[in-house]
Amino acid sequence: EIVLTQSPGALSLSPGQRATLSCRTSQSVGSNYLAWYQQKPGQSPRLLIYLASDRATGIPDRFSGSGSGTDFTLTISRLEPEDSAMYYCQHYGSPLSITFGQGTRLEIK
Amino acid sequence: QVQLVQSGAEVKKPGSSVKVSCETSGDTFSRFGISWLRQAPGQGLQWMGGIIPRFGIANYAQKFQGRVRITADESSNIVHMELRTLRYDDTAVYFCARAEYGDYGSGIFYFYAIDVWGQGTTVTVSS
Repeated sequence: EIVLTQSPGALSLSPGQRATLSCRTSQSVGSNYLAWYQQKPGQSPRLLIYLASDRATGIPDRFSGSGSGTDFTLTISRLEPEDSAMYYCQHYGSPLSITFGQGTRLEIK
Repeated sequence: QVQLVQSGAEVKKPGSSVKVSCETSGDTFSRFGISWLRQAPGQGLQWMGGIIPRFGIANYAQKFQGRVRITADESSNIVHMELRTLRYDDTAVYFCARAEYGDYGSGIFYFYAIDVWGQGTTVTVSS
């Protein structure tokens, strides 16, 4: 099973700044089967990025994903207060199996 | 808009079982896979298992093998998740979630990214 390690564990930034969230996998991810989700308190997660760099429907272009192999990055430019949330990376593509990173907490103050 | 509608909150005693349902649409049932995930208080997301309703093929995370069962009822477009022998640390919000699936051949399926989530069902295990 691929293990996903996210860093940093928490991040505090100001509106207008750029956030860079990292996700490292214990093995190379084939076909870039790596997704990013945003989860706000009391809500279900929301898909942001799939295939490492493709934005999901309705996601602003401030959110971008990059990377390949074992190193992946979610970048959020021009931070807004509503971007405060937990962010999870996820690996998929293994036979009927899905794994998540432990999450990064982003605070916008 | 596609929705997954889950059953309501449950309070269960240790050692008992819980069954949570996830109502989908007919299109979802025929074209997508459904996963079950959970999130303990203050913790991250944990995949429990998933099913391809069209084929009735399910797979479970090793941690839950033997204790969880996921079934799909084609007549009602409902997917059920049953967790047995409940423990206090099973207290969590349980989510169903939809993803497209692919086929590696020989009946080996894999999920793509999750694009639709249910609203979550709180299961509390308490004596």
